[in-house]
Amino acid sequence: AQSVTQLGSHVSVSEGALVLLRCNYSSSVPPYLFWYVQYPNQGLQLLLKYTSAATLVKGINGFEAEFKKSETSFHLTKPSAHMSDAAEYFCAVSGNSGYSTLTFGKGTMLLVSP
Amino acid sequence: EPEVTQTPSHQVTQMGQEVILRCVPISNHLYFYWYRQILGQKVEFLVSFYNNEISEKSEIFDDQFSVERPDGSNFTLKIRSTKLEDSAMYFCASSEAWGPGDTGELFFGEGSRLTVL
Repeated sequence: AQSVTQLGSHVSVSEGALVLLRCNYSSSVPPYLFWYVQYPNQGLQLLLKYTSAATLVKGINGFEAEFKKSETSFHLTKPSAHMSDAAEYFCAVSGNSGYSTLTFGKGTMLLVSP
Repeated sequence: EPEVTQTPSHQVTQMGQEVILRCVPISNHLYFYWYRQILGQKVEFLVSFYNNEISEKSEIFDDQFSVERPDGSNFTLKIRSTKLEDSAMYFCASSEAWGPGDTGELFFGEGSRLTVL
């Protein structure tokens, strides 16, 4: 069984500041890990994914995440926040079936102030 | 760019009524999914569908729920007799293939918000 914990339902940053969204997972099998973003009135969009290749994964819009097995973490970062990054971000884990059955975290709303 | 579309965007219904949520997956995709998110809670897997049958379902997906691909384009989720606790955002998704490769990526629709009164 898998589970995901996202620390902080809301994270506020200033434009240009570092973005750090935390995700910890639990999985009984080697996990596949994902970050999705949801902009207002839009669907869930894949930001990046970890599928057992490189532990540092780069995604769209300047985001990246690092898989740390020892910490069971997959935190999402971006060096410099932009106003357009304001959205809800979901971390998800999948087991040995790959993408099919995703277990999501509760989501973190990123607020970016000028 | 191809996208998954869902209708309606918002539906309000009375408890006990039947509801059908509709989804049009991306045209060359073969695998279809429903997820839901109750307000303030996690996005939860409901069901996956392939080759005109359910391939996987969660505990949430009980006898009140059913899915169907009535024609070559639509994928529907039916709730037979809605309960208050069915109020949620329902997301449809589709993928070209199954598994961890790029073709297994899930593409999600914008969601259908269901409110049961």
